[in-house]
Amino acid sequence: QVQLQESGPGLVKPSETLSLTCTVSGGSVSSGSYYWSWIRQPPGKGLEWIGYIYYSGSTNYNPSLKSRVTISVDTSKNQFSLKLSSVTAADTAVYYCARVTQDSSGYYMGMDVWGQGTTVTVSS
Amino acid sequence: QSALTQPASVSGSPGQSITISCTGTSSDVGGYNYVSWYQQHPGKAPKLMIYDVSKRPSGVSNRFSGSKSGNTASLTISGLQAEDEADYYCSSYTSSSTWVFGGGTKLTVL
Repeated sequence: QVQLQESGPGLVKPSETLSLTCTVSGGSVSSGSYYWSWIRQPPGKGLEWIGYIYYSGSTNYNPSLKSRVTISVDTSKNQFSLKLSSVTAADTAVYYCARVTQDSSGYYMGMDVWGQGTTVTVSS
Repeated sequence: QSALTQPASVSGSPGQSITISCTGTSSDVGGYNYVSWYQQHPGKAPKLMIYDVSKRPSGVSNRFSGSKSGNTASLTISGLQAEDEADYYCSSYTSSSTWVFGGGTKLTVL
């Protein structure tokens, strides 16, 4: 049973960089069958996809956040990470990591495993 | 990329059926069969209910079904139960190889 767990500071100052890590247990971040994603949810609002990374290091980001986002993977620690620079109060949200499964035929099977989420508040 | 369009709220009585729509464009919903639906209870992480427009993950009740016509996808819940009360989000793969979510729909079971 694969599990994901987000970790990182719960409070970040404006203009600084938000850094979060997602630890994968019960499975391998190096598997070629998965894309590892970050999603966030501001208080009382909907879900926003941030971006994903493949084990090879290939990434893709939400165009609205692309200039500030970096997602990386550390296969030795079985983790992937999110960095969001120049944060403002608008970046206050619950941040989730999730897994997108791709089957043997190359079809995507949705975000089938999610972490519990971690709350990040941007405030001085 | 613009968020997919969902109704803000829907409601139904126990035992009834409800349908939630999710409208996008030919660059996302209409262009790919990669629409998925997520259920989110308050304070909890989203849960995958439907993927690839109409497929159910193992363990998801067959009361949940999905479909698509053109640029609009739909989630239908039949035999509504109190435990179905939650927020529901659609998501689609896009022509930019990204993912986009809908704004979410609050389901109230009367």
